Amino acid sequence: GAGVSQTPSNKVTEKGKYVELRCDPISGHTALYWYRQSLGQGPEFLIYFQGTGAADDSGLPNDRFFAVRPEGSVSTLKIQRTERGDSAVYLCASSPDGSSYEQYFGPGTRLTVT
Amino acid sequence: AQSVTQPDIHITVSEGASLELRCNYSYGATPYLFWYVQSPGQGLQLLLKYFSGDTLVQGIKGFEAEFKRSQSSFNLRKPSVHWSDAAEYFCAVGAFEKTSYDKVIFGPGTSLSVIP
Repeated sequence: GAGVSQTPSNKVTEKGKYVELRCDPISGHTALYWYRQSLGQGPEFLIYFQGTGAADDSGLPNDRFFAVRPEGSVSTLKIQRTERGDSAVYLCASSPDGSSYEQYFGPGTRLTVT
Repeated sequence: AQSVTQPDIHITVSEGASLELRCNYSYGATPYLFWYVQSPGQGLQLLLKYFSGDTLVQGIKGFEAEFKRSQSSFNLRKPSVHWSDAAEYFCAVGAFEKTSYDKVIFGPGTSLSVIP
C-alpha cells in the first residue's frame, strides 16, 4: 500500500514569507508526527497529533510554527515569517494507534529559506 | 530527560567487513530503543527495536543490536557489510512514560561509507 507522502519535496522561499508543508499519512493511521532535521543532525520532534488534536506541541520552536490536522488524516505544517534558520528537512511520520513503536516516515520536505 | 549519543560521526568500512555502530543513551527508566536507517532521498526506515526480553535483537537487512543496561548502550552490528548499506544510521530512545504518550528522541546519526 501507499506509504507516507509529503509535498512538496523541495521548497525554496524568501526570508519573511509564509510556507505550508503537507503530509499524507498512511490510510487509517491515527497518529501523526512532525520532525525537523537540520544538516548533520537527527530528527527533532516538533508536534504529535492523535486524531484531529495536537496531543503534544512542545517541540514547536516558537509561535511562527503551527500545524493542523482538521479531519484526522492529512496534516499541514505552517511556518510564518520564515527565517534562514528554518532551513531544514521537515519529516512527517504516522503510526497506527499512537504508539511510537511503529513510526512510518515520509521522504521529507527540504525547505530552504534564502 | 532522555538523550542519545552516537560517538562516531562517520565510519568507513570495506565491503564484506563487519560493522559496529555505537549508541549510548541516558534515561532514568527502562528505555525503549530503536535503530533507523536513512538512505539519500529516502525516509527513515526502522531496522530494529528493543522493548524488553532478550537483549540481543534481530532486525531487517541482517542487522542486530545488543542492549547492555550496565553500559547504557545499544550498539548496532552486521557481520558482513554490503555496498547498499551505505547510509545514515540513527539510534533513538523512547520515553514511554505512564502519564504521557510516546516521544522518540533521536541521536545525531552516524554516516556509513562502504568501500568496494
